[in-house]
Amino acid sequence: AQKVTQAQTEISVVEKEDVTLDCVYETRDTTYYLFWYKQPPSGELVFLIRRNSFDEQNEISGRYSWNFQKSTSSFNFTITASQVVDSAVYFCALCHGSGNTGKLIFGQGTTLQVKP
Amino acid sequence: NAGVTQTPKFRVLKTGQSMTLLCAQDMNHEYMYWYRQDPGMGLRLIHYSVGEGTTAKGEVPDGYNVSRLKKQNFLLGLESAAPSQTSVYFCASRQGSPSGANVLTFGAGSRLTVL
Repeated sequence: AQKVTQAQTEISVVEKEDVTLDCVYETRDTTYYLFWYKQPPSGELVFLIRRNSFDEQNEISGRYSWNFQKSTSSFNFTITASQVVDSAVYFCALCHGSGNTGKLIFGQGTTLQVKP
Repeated sequence: NAGVTQTPKFRVLKTGQSMTLLCAQDMNHEYMYWYRQDPGMGLRLIHYSVGEGTTAKGEVPDGYNVSRLKKQNFLLGLESAAPSQTSVYFCASRQGSPSGANVLTFGAGSRLTVL
């Protein structure tokens, strides 16, 4: 069975702190894709990153970075020097790799509150 | 470029009433999905479609029906609304391919309250 677990329900930090959002996944597939989406208070879902199972290189995009470790089935997301605008619900998601219908399996979401 | 448009954005229903949520996409995407979002449960797939005229059940299909008569539209129907269907509903679409790499584009959501 496929499953995504985001154990942190809510995180509260003060602006400029670094924060890491954890994501652990379960799958029997050898080919799969992992995603992070952001849901700001306005409610829409914004795509942040996609990673395939064969690419374990960490990725950095500005203040955002992602650490993918197949050995621990984790795909963690770090925000460096957090800002109030980072306050949102963040979802990690998993998708089969091939011959599939593109269904995303979402984690429960982590609500991040960045206080000024 | 509208992307994925959901109507209505808000709706209040009484138990037993019926309604239809409309999802329209202008990106010529093959695949379309309906998810519901509930606190502490993330997004769960209700139904999906891999092309015009096709539909399939997702994780939580009971109490819902869907139709994809036109490629650009995906309708979600509640025949007899129940309070347990109070939720925020999201429609999404993506290009058609066997790969799971394609990114889903989401609509803005429809908040449904069933009294």
